Amino acid sequence: GAGVSQSPSNKVTEKGKDVELRCDPISGHTALYWYRQRLGQGLEFLIYFQGNSAPDKSGLPSDRFSAERTGESVSTLTIQRTQQEDSAVYLCASSPQRGGNTGELFFGEGSRLTVL
Amino acid sequence: AQSVAQPEDQVNVAEGNPLTVKCTYSVSGNPYLFWYVQYPNRGLQFLLKYITGDNLVKGSYGFEAEFNKSQTSFHLKKPSALVSDSALYFCAVRSYSSASKIIFGSGTRLSIRP
Repeated sequence: GAGVSQSPSNKVTEKGKDVELRCDPISGHTALYWYRQRLGQGLEFLIYFQGNSAPDKSGLPSDRFSAERTGESVSTLTIQRTQQEDSAVYLCASSPQRGGNTGELFFGEGSRLTVL
Repeated sequence: AQSVAQPEDQVNVAEGNPLTVKCTYSVSGNPYLFWYVQYPNRGLQFLLKYITGDNLVKGSYGFEAEFNKSQTSFHLKKPSALVSDSALYFCAVRSYSSASKIIFGSGTRLSIRP
């Protein structure tokens, strides 16, 4: 597809379970971001990948959160031992950002996570 | 560290009136600045960006934003509001550094009454 694709679109899990969220960015986009949006709130930065550089993990809220990206393609966000406060929409965005230039972010539809 | 402030949680405007949604930022060096809009049950969409040059930037749906370096502001404006402009608006910033991430504000809910 032409846009950023995220899966699953909806995930309900029990407290303590691990979840994995997937993001397929737009082909050729070197930058990939994960954000978290709690109900009615703003976008909380989680992690940023730029090409083959080391990712900026400064927004990950705890060591239960991790993310991987294979080259300039698919990324997965993993949340271990989920807690109720992890319930949110997890948004992925990609950008043709390269070097000192920047392009706008293209967002996926998000993965809505509900932890019971 | 980068930061963005949107001081108003909600802005209410009558249709046909001008609207302003405020944003101030903090970043090392020169900024890239963005506005995004989130309509109900839809994904985030890019509205406009400031990179360099003219301080007044025009974007989608008749929106514009003015970059003010001395006040570190990037307020979103529209001369005549439409009911369909009702949505959640986010300001975002990054620095010129290629390693810099994009940080979003907390969002402002714009409500346009008929």
